Amino acid sequence: QKEVEQDPGPLSVPEGAIVSLNCTYSNSAFQYFMWYRQYSRKGPELLMYTYSSGNKEDGRFTAQVDKSSKYISLFIRDSQPSDSATYLCAMMNSGNTPLVFGKGTRLSVIA
Amino acid sequence: GAGVSQSPRYKVAKRGQDVALRCDPISGHVSLFWYQQALGQGPEFLTYFQNEAQLDKSGLPSDRFFAERPEGSVSTLKIQRTQQEDSAVYLCASSLEQIYNEQFFGPGTRLTVL
Repeated sequence: QKEVEQDPGPLSVPEGAIVSLNCTYSNSAFQYFMWYRQYSRKGPELLMYTYSSGNKEDGRFTAQVDKSSKYISLFIRDSQPSDSATYLCAMMNSGNTPLVFGKGTRLSVIA
Repeated sequence: GAGVSQSPRYKVAKRGQDVALRCDPISGHVSLFWYQQALGQGPEFLTYFQNEAQLDKSGLPSDRFFAERPEGSVSTLKIQRTQQEDSAVYLCASSLEQIYNEQFFGPGTRLTVL
């Protein structure tokens, strides 16, 4: 079992829909939780990060972390065709440790 | 300013050849990371530098992989005697000081080993 599990999709939604993406993890030492967006043939781009448990909102994006359940989510409101990309969750311990990524979920928003 | 740049963007190698992949981090970024991303997978950590010091190379898959950052800026990832299983996108990321959560990624080098 991998440290971070993420459903690869693909996920297809109509424009304007609310999208829910999530990851589960097994390492209780993870403290930082990130969501990256990756367009085809591009590098990952940091969308949001959260330290420990809680919610964080930025425009149409909301990140949630539930450390008790080892479960994180990203919600996208009023989804747009330009949101079509692969969304990667990533996590790390505090201190000098590398990022551990999920497999990524491929999202298509249909106009 | 410019983001992280990588060259070449695409590399085709015959099995057994050596390759060198270059990463130019964002100016002033102290930390530099290399990741390997296989098709349909998330990036996997290879190695990490703080300035010129290689602090973690636990993710390098074999001794055919070697990375350096001699002057604390540009980094090179070298793969000797390439194998087909080395085919992947190699991503470089840099971050300012020790803010590990804010890693900025380059576009990657897509390596295909025939």
